[in-house]
Amino acid sequence: DTGVSQDPRHKITKRGQNVTFRCDPISEHNRLYWYRQTLGQGPEFLTYFQNEAQLEKSRLLSDRFSAERPKGSFSTLEIQRTEQGDSAMYLCASSLQGENGYTFGSGTRLTVV
Amino acid sequence: KQEVTQIPAALSVPEGENLVLNCSFTDSAIYNLQWFRQDPGKGLTSLLLIQSSQREQTSGRLNASLDKSSGRSTLYIAASQPGDSATYLCAVGSGTYKYIFGTGTRLKVLA
Repeated sequence: DTGVSQDPRHKITKRGQNVTFRCDPISEHNRLYWYRQTLGQGPEFLTYFQNEAQLEKSRLLSDRFSAERPKGSFSTLEIQRTEQGDSAMYLCASSLQGENGYTFGSGTRLTVV
Repeated sequence: KQEVTQIPAALSVPEGENLVLNCSFTDSAIYNLQWFRQDPGKGLTSLLLIQSSQREQTSGRLNASLDKSSGRSTLYIAASQPGDSATYLCAVGSGTYKYIFGTGTRLKVLA
Protein backbone atom coordinates (compact mmCIF):
# COMPACT_ATOMS: atom_id res chain seq x y z
CA ASP A 1 0.00 0.00 0.00
CA THR A 2 1.48 3.32 -1.05
CA GLY A 3 -0.45 5.65 1.23
CA VAL A 4 -3.40 7.95 0.66
CA SER A 5 -4.11 8.71 -3.00
CA GLN A 6 -6.05 11.68 -4.30
CA ASP A 7 -7.26 12.29 -7.81
CA PRO A 8 -6.97 14.57 -9.67
CA ARG A 9 -3.94 16.48 -8.48
CA HIS A 10 -5.11 19.67 -10.13
CA LYS A 11 -8.49 20.80 -11.40
CA ILE A 12 -9.35 24.03 -13.17
CA THR A 13 -13.05 24.66 -13.65
CA LYS A 14 -15.32 27.47 -14.66
CA ARG A 15 -17.54 29.08 -12.10
CA GLY A 16 -20.87 27.31 -11.87
CA GLN A 17 -19.58 23.90 -12.91
CA ASN A 18 -19.67 20.81 -10.71
CA VAL A 19 -16.49 19.01 -9.70
CA THR A 20 -15.79 15.72 -7.97
CA PHE A 21 -12.63 14.62 -6.21
CA ARG A 22 -11.65 11.12 -5.17
CA CYS A 23 -9.65 9.87 -2.20
CA ASP A 24 -8.36 6.34 -1.71
CA PRO A 25 -7.25 5.85 1.90
CA ILE A 26 -4.76 3.35 3.25
CA SER A 27 -6.62 0.09 2.87
CA GLU A 28 -6.80 -0.92 6.53
CA HIS A 29 -7.76 2.57 7.74
CA ASN A 30 -11.44 2.83 8.68
CA ARG A 31 -11.43 6.59 9.30
CA LEU A 32 -11.28 9.15 6.50
CA TYR A 33 -11.17 12.94 6.69
CA TRP A 34 -11.50 15.85 4.30
CA TYR A 35 -9.82 19.20 4.97
CA ARG A 36 -9.61 22.38 2.93
CA GLN A 37 -6.57 24.65 2.82
CA THR A 38 -6.51 28.13 1.32
CA LEU A 39 -3.33 29.98 0.48
CA GLY A 40 -1.29 30.93 3.52
CA GLN A 41 -3.64 29.19 5.94
CA GLY A 42 -3.62 25.92 7.79
CA PRO A 43 -6.00 23.14 6.78
CA GLU A 44 -9.58 23.39 8.05
CA PHE A 45 -11.70 20.37 8.90
CA LEU A 46 -14.59 19.65 6.54
CA THR A 47 -15.92 16.20 7.33
CA TYR A 48 -15.11 12.79 8.75
CA PHE A 49 -16.16 9.21 8.03
CA GLN A 50 -15.88 6.14 10.14
CA ASN A 51 -16.31 3.26 7.74
CA GLU A 52 -19.21 4.35 5.50
CA ALA A 53 -20.86 6.61 8.07
CA GLN A 54 -20.35 10.36 7.85
CA LEU A 55 -20.13 11.30 11.53
CA GLU A 56 -19.40 15.01 11.42
CA LYS A 57 -19.72 17.85 8.94
CA SER A 58 -18.22 21.28 9.48
CA ARG A 59 -20.26 24.42 9.00
CA LEU A 60 -17.76 25.15 6.21
CA LEU A 61 -19.45 22.40 4.24
CA SER A 62 -22.30 24.30 2.63
CA ASP A 63 -25.24 22.69 0.86
CA ARG A 64 -23.22 22.76 -2.35
CA PHE A 65 -20.76 20.27 -0.90
CA SER A 66 -21.43 16.57 -0.50
CA ALA A 67 -19.14 13.76 0.52
CA GLU A 68 -19.66 10.04 0.34
CA ARG A 69 -17.78 6.93 1.28
CA PRO A 70 -19.68 4.00 -0.16
CA LYS A 71 -18.71 0.62 1.28
CA GLY A 72 -16.26 2.29 3.63
CA SER A 73 -13.47 2.34 1.08
CA PHE A 74 -12.73 5.29 -1.21
CA SER A 75 -14.45 8.63 -0.73
CA THR A 76 -15.67 11.34 -3.08
CA LEU A 77 -16.13 15.04 -2.43
CA GLU A 78 -18.44 16.85 -4.83
CA ILE A 79 -18.84 20.59 -5.13
CA GLN A 80 -21.85 21.80 -7.08
CA ARG A 81 -22.12 25.20 -8.74
CA THR A 82 -18.54 26.10 -7.92
CA GLU A 83 -17.66 29.63 -6.83
CA GLN A 84 -14.33 31.43 -6.90
CA GLY A 85 -14.18 31.17 -3.11
CA ASP A 86 -14.02 27.40 -3.48
CA SER A 87 -10.52 27.68 -4.92
CA ALA A 88 -8.29 25.84 -2.45
CA MET A 89 -6.32 22.68 -1.82
CA TYR A 90 -8.60 19.82 -0.77
CA LEU A 91 -6.78 17.35 1.43
CA CYS A 92 -7.81 13.86 2.37
CA ALA A 93 -6.39 11.90 5.29
CA SER A 94 -7.00 8.52 6.84
CA SER A 95 -6.33 6.80 10.13
CA LEU A 96 -7.11 3.63 12.00
CA GLN A 97 -9.59 3.89 14.83
CA GLY A 98 -7.76 3.59 18.11
CA GLU A 99 -4.52 4.91 16.70
CA ASN A 100 -3.56 8.55 16.75
CA GLY A 101 -2.22 10.57 13.91
CA TYR A 102 -3.21 10.98 10.30
CA THR A 103 -1.71 10.08 6.98
CA PHE A 104 -2.46 12.77 4.44
CA GLY A 105 -2.69 12.50 0.68
CA SER A 106 -1.02 14.95 -1.68
CA GLY A 107 -4.20 16.93 -2.12
CA THR A 108 -6.29 18.19 -5.03
CA ARG A 109 -5.76 21.81 -5.97
CA LEU A 110 -8.95 23.39 -7.28
CA THR A 111 -8.92 26.63 -9.22
CA VAL A 112 -12.27 28.18 -10.11
CA VAL A 113 -12.04 30.74 -12.90
CA LYS B 1 -13.18 27.46 20.68
CA GLN B 2 -9.63 26.19 20.22
CA GLU B 3 -7.25 28.56 18.45
CA VAL B 4 -3.74 27.63 17.37
CA THR B 5 -1.05 30.23 16.72
CA GLN B 6 2.40 29.70 15.26
CA ILE B 7 5.28 32.09 15.65
CA PRO B 8 7.22 33.14 13.69
CA ALA B 9 5.24 33.13 10.45
CA ALA B 10 8.46 32.94 8.47
CA LEU B 11 12.07 32.21 9.30
CA SER B 12 15.28 32.28 7.29
CA VAL B 13 18.45 30.79 8.76
CA PRO B 14 21.89 29.76 7.51
CA GLU B 15 22.61 26.08 7.16
CA GLY B 16 23.78 24.37 10.34
CA GLU B 17 21.83 26.49 12.79
CA ASN B 18 19.66 24.99 15.50
CA LEU B 19 16.19 26.51 15.50
CA VAL B 20 12.93 26.50 17.43
CA LEU B 21 9.44 26.83 16.04
CA ASN B 22 6.66 27.79 18.42
CA CYS B 23 3.03 26.76 18.64
CA SER B 24 0.50 28.01 21.18
CA PHE B 25 -3.10 26.94 21.76
CA THR B 26 -5.88 28.47 23.81
CA ASP B 27 -7.59 25.39 25.29
CA SER B 28 -5.32 23.08 27.27
CA ALA B 29 -7.82 20.20 27.12
CA ILE B 30 -6.21 18.58 24.12
CA TYR B 31 -6.10 14.96 23.02
CA ASN B 32 -2.73 15.13 21.29
CA LEU B 33 -0.57 17.43 19.18
CA GLN B 34 1.02 16.70 15.85
CA TRP B 35 3.69 18.52 13.85
CA PHE B 36 3.55 18.30 10.07
CA ARG B 37 5.78 19.40 7.25
CA GLN B 38 4.34 20.73 3.97
CA ASP B 39 6.37 21.35 0.84
CA PRO B 40 5.03 23.93 -1.65
CA GLY B 41 1.90 22.70 -3.41
CA LYS B 42 2.05 19.33 -1.69
CA GLY B 43 0.24 17.44 1.02
CA LEU B 44 1.26 17.12 4.66
CA THR B 45 3.88 14.79 6.06
CA SER B 46 3.63 13.83 9.71
CA LEU B 47 6.80 14.54 11.68
CA LEU B 48 6.01 13.95 15.32
CA LEU B 49 2.92 13.08 17.36
CA ILE B 50 2.79 13.87 21.09
CA GLN B 51 0.05 12.39 23.25
CA SER B 52 -1.49 14.66 25.86
CA SER B 53 0.21 12.62 28.60
CA GLN B 54 3.66 13.02 27.07
CA ARG B 55 6.13 15.86 27.40
CA GLU B 56 8.24 15.33 24.29
CA GLN B 57 8.96 13.18 21.27
CA THR B 58 12.16 12.84 19.24
CA SER B 59 12.87 11.70 15.73
CA GLY B 60 16.35 12.14 14.34
CA ARG B 61 17.20 15.84 14.34
CA LEU B 62 13.70 16.79 15.43
CA ASN B 63 12.43 17.17 18.97
CA ALA B 64 8.95 18.31 19.90
CA SER B 65 7.89 19.31 23.39
CA LEU B 66 4.46 19.82 24.88
CA ASP B 67 3.44 21.92 27.88
CA LYS B 68 -0.32 21.56 28.14
CA SER B 69 -0.73 23.78 31.18
CA SER B 70 0.81 26.76 29.40
CA GLY B 71 -0.73 25.86 26.04
CA ARG B 72 2.57 25.58 24.20
CA SER B 73 4.54 23.25 22.00
CA THR B 74 7.94 23.74 20.39
CA LEU B 75 9.60 21.98 17.50
CA TYR B 76 13.38 21.97 17.75
CA ILE B 77 15.38 21.30 14.59
CA ALA B 78 19.06 20.59 15.11
CA ALA B 79 21.76 21.33 12.55
CA SER B 80 19.35 22.63 9.92
CA GLN B 81 19.86 21.70 6.27
CA PRO B 82 18.56 23.25 3.02
CA GLY B 83 16.33 20.18 2.64
CA ASP B 84 14.51 21.24 5.80
CA SER B 85 13.07 24.23 3.92
CA ALA B 86 9.28 23.87 4.05
CA THR B 87 6.24 25.05 5.96
CA TYR B 88 5.85 23.49 9.39
CA LEU B 89 2.32 23.12 10.72
CA CYS B 90 1.22 22.49 14.28
CA ALA B 91 -2.09 20.66 14.72
CA VAL B 92 -3.94 20.24 18.00
CA GLY B 93 -6.14 17.19 18.42
CA SER B 94 -9.36 18.44 19.94
CA GLY B 95 -10.88 14.98 20.23
CA THR B 96 -10.21 11.50 19.01
CA TYR B 97 -10.31 12.43 15.37
CA LYS B 98 -10.28 16.16 14.54
CA TYR B 99 -7.33 18.53 14.35
CA ILE B 100 -7.18 22.31 14.58
CA PHE B 101 -4.22 23.66 12.60
CA GLY B 102 -2.09 26.73 12.98
CA THR B 103 -1.19 28.82 9.94
CA GLY B 104 2.33 27.45 9.86
CA THR B 105 5.91 28.69 9.92
CA ARG B 106 7.64 28.99 6.53
CA LEU B 107 11.24 27.95 7.01
CA LYS B 108 14.05 28.66 4.58
CA VAL B 109 17.48 27.22 5.27
CA LEU B 110 20.19 28.93 3.24
CA ALA B 111 23.12 26.94 1.91
